[in-house]
Amino acid sequence: KNEVEQSPQNLTAQEGEFITINCSYSVGISALHWLQQHPGGGIVSLFMLSSGKKKHGRLIATINIQEKHSSLHITASHPRDSAVYICAALRRGNTGKLIFGQGTTLQVKP
Amino acid sequence: EPEVTQTPSHQVTQMGQEVILRCVPISNHLYFYWYRQILGQKVEFLVSFYNNEISEKSEIFDDQFSVERPDGSNFTLKIRSTKLEDSAMYFCASSERLAGESSYEQYFGPGTRLTVT
Repeated sequence: KNEVEQSPQNLTAQEGEFITINCSYSVGISALHWLQQHPGGGIVSLFMLSSGKKKHGRLIATINIQEKHSSLHITASHPRDSAVYICAALRRGNTGKLIFGQGTTLQVKP
Repeated sequence: EPEVTQTPSHQVTQMGQEVILRCVPISNHLYFYWYRQILGQKVEFLVSFYNNEISEKSEIFDDQFSVERPDGSNFTLKIRSTKLEDSAMYFCASSERLAGESSYEQYFGPGTRLTVT
């Protein structure tokens, strides 16, 4: 069983829809990264959070440490949001090792 | 805005050859990481590096791999004798402090696509 699981694996939405991507993890963590990967392959950090909620523009990330669950929400989705969204758990310890989920491929249609 | 850079963007090599992938982390960052992503698979941790020492390495990071910070700016990943299964995208990342402390995020480079033929 993967230590970090994301759902759904693939998601197609219409422009303007509210989108939720879920991430569950089974390891002890000190923080969780949400990352975006575009078709060219580059990875961009969206959020790192260890508790509560963070908001950046139309993106909102929440984490529930007790339930070992995090969500990434996109409000008013746009075709330019189409990308792979990856959650990565920062395993507790002193080495900075990230454990990655398999990614959620999002396509937003106009 | 400061960014992590990697060279080359694409490297093609023959099986058995040595390759060196180069990264320039963000200048005030102290922690460095290498990850790889085989096509169609998830990103995997290879190694973390701090204070000129490996902090942690994965089971993938065997004797064929090594990392070095040869000067104050570059951080390199060397694969001594490449195999076909080393074909992947290799990402370098860096963080100012240990990621997780006070929201110190890891910042990723654009990646080097390594193709072993």
